[in-house]
Amino acid sequence: DAGVTQSPTHLIKTRGQQVTLRCSPISGHKSVSWYQQVLGQGPQFIFQYYEKEERGRGNFPDRFSARQFPNYSSELNVNALLLGDSALYLCASSPTGTSNTGELFFGEGSRLTVL
Amino acid sequence: AQSVSQHNHHVILSEAASLELGCNYSYGGTVNLFWYVQYPGQHLQLLLKYFSGDPLVKGIKGFEAEFIKSKFSFNLRKPSVQWSDTAEYFCAVNAHGSGTYKYIFGTGTRLKVLA
Repeated sequence: DAGVTQSPTHLIKTRGQQVTLRCSPISGHKSVSWYQQVLGQGPQFIFQYYEKEERGRGNFPDRFSARQFPNYSSELNVNALLLGDSALYLCASSPTGTSNTGELFFGEGSRLTVL
Repeated sequence: AQSVSQHNHHVILSEAASLELGCNYSYGGTVNLFWYVQYPGQHLQLLLKYFSGDPLVKGIKGFEAEFIKSKFSFNLRKPSVQWSDTAEYFCAVNAHGSGTYKYIFGTGTRLKVLA
């Protein structure tokens, strides 16, 4: 079975630009979460969507937005890019909406470099 | 606010040595606890998890972890490491009953096992 797939795997943007990252969850998984991993740090929670509704939001500015589509795939958008947005963006899917019964399955990430 | 501390940032061991990686968390309520591993060039994958019950949990590849509630700790152990255990290890917590997959990750421990 295919795991969580993310695209693009690598991209380079300049300050002020906008970026869209895409994620396809494992088949049958209805929840998608996004994490940002800065070099040398652990992943930091950005968003969670379940059944196309936002379930959680981390401490990120409004420049960060996301959505989930009817097929449960998801997009993360970041506007007005800053140098500090350079990071590995991880998508994770899970079969349930609550972590009390499930676990996160991570993709390999999209590495964003902002120049 | 929730936080996770991993005390060892880099650990170097010889094959067959015993491993213990420390993880302490800060949170006033009930938590779900996880250890994730990231092998070189691969995505994050779950090693083991604790939701409730027996505080000694066993995971894949001979790893185990013990939840000590009074110490807010969830240390990872393996009696005898192998070269293939070289990876980065992340401890994570999630508020039980939060209804989200908002995990708080530690900064990670890089383990290098010498053959």
